[in-house]
Amino acid sequence: RKEVEQDPGPFNVPEGATVAFNCTYSNSASQSFFWYRQDCRKEPKLLMSVYSSGNEDGRFTAQLNRASQYISLLIRDSKLSDSATYLCAVPTWGGATNKLIFGTGTLLAVQP
Amino acid sequence: NAGVMQNPRHLVRRRGQEARLRCSPMKGHSHVYWYRQLPEEGLKFMVYLQKENIIDESGMPKERFSAEFPKEGPSILRIQQVVRGDSAAYFCASSPAPGLETVFGQGTRLTVV
Repeated sequence: RKEVEQDPGPFNVPEGATVAFNCTYSNSASQSFFWYRQDCRKEPKLLMSVYSSGNEDGRFTAQLNRASQYISLLIRDSKLSDSATYLCAVPTWGGATNKLIFGTGTLLAVQP
Repeated sequence: NAGVMQNPRHLVRRRGQEARLRCSPMKGHSHVYWYRQLPEEGLKFMVYLQKENIIDESGMPKERFSAEFPKEGPSILRIQQVVRGDSAAYFCASSPAPGLETVFGQGTRLTVV
């Protein structure tokens, strides 16, 4: 099993739709999680951090399910500008390591 | 706050040449990371450094790749004798402490011809 897995998509949704992505992780000891957004040929930009059960920021909601080891990202009222790849990242740190393990990303295309 | 600065943004090298990629972390960040993104693939961790120390290089290819973060100046990712398979986007990132939010630079796109 991969350390971090995402459905690659693409998710094609109309403007105004609600869309959700899931990300599963294998390390049950993970305590924090991040969602990044990456536009084509650009750097990843931090969208949301999840340190406990979830986080909400405007149209975006991230939720954590520790029992099933997945996090989800919900986008409400999708905008054309939401079209991007959404990357799930799980940090591994402690001792001699400190790094983010990324999923391969989920491509979202919002259609007019 | 200028964020994480990488240069050059684009680098073209012929096979067998050396590539040097530079990264200045965000102000106040002492933890630096290098990631590689191959075409159509996800971001892969390469190396984690603090000033003058390589902490974790488990993601670095065993040969031709090296990284440093000197006491003064930017972090450098060096690729010797480049091959076509090295063509990728190389992202530098920094964080203020382990486990906290990591900020990425704009990346260096290396093309080996």
